[in-house]
Amino acid sequence: GENVEQHPSTLSVQEGDSAVIKCTYSDSASNYFPWYKQELGKRPQLIIDIRSNVGEKKDQRIAVTLNKTAKHFSLHITETQPEDSAVYFCAAKGGGGGNKLTFGTGTQLKVEL
Amino acid sequence: DVKVTQSSRYLVKRTGEKVFLECVQDMDHENMFWYRQDPGLGLRLIYFSYDVKMKEKGDIPEGYSVSREKKERFSLILESASTNQTSMYLCASKTGGRETQYFGPGTRLLVL
Repeated sequence: GENVEQHPSTLSVQEGDSAVIKCTYSDSASNYFPWYKQELGKRPQLIIDIRSNVGEKKDQRIAVTLNKTAKHFSLHITETQPEDSAVYFCAAKGGGGGNKLTFGTGTQLKVEL
Repeated sequence: DVKVTQSSRYLVKRTGEKVFLECVQDMDHENMFWYRQDPGLGLRLIYFSYDVKMKEKGDIPEGYSVSREKKERFSLILESASTNQTSMYLCASKTGGRETQYFGPGTRLLVL
């Protein structure tokens, strides 16, 4: 089955700096890669996603890049703000037409003032 | 606005008890999922269902079963709770035509 590895497990940045979280996946047929944000005590929520036919997608301060050859994808947050502090999960949907997502282990991002 | 609710936010049970966790969604979603969330392990899929009375095992189904008698409701059952099932349990749902999964608020289960 699909295996998703996520790094780093914790990340601390100064407000205004950029943050990058990286994930690798094992199934070359995987075709959908979402990122979820989970604030403390809250439910995970989708913040951005990318499909395998696209190399990069941007939404204001967040962007996701995908390298299918290397089987890795990354989340980029620019101009970080305290409200970006949360746990971020990457995920991959394997090929085969199913609905199953395999999640990474999460990155605790802390944005310090 | 999609709403996914779970029957309890916190639950304390004894070893060996039968435990029911319920999830309800109000958006007529075909697909529903149960995950458990543990520190350092992320979200791991226990079971999912793509239609009423249909179910498929996820990555860690051992010790769990599920029931989906109605489209809006997906139940997770711990037949005989054990201490290693102490965890946060998250339910999610999605429609067949879109990829986004919508999560419930979670149930934090403590098995003593």
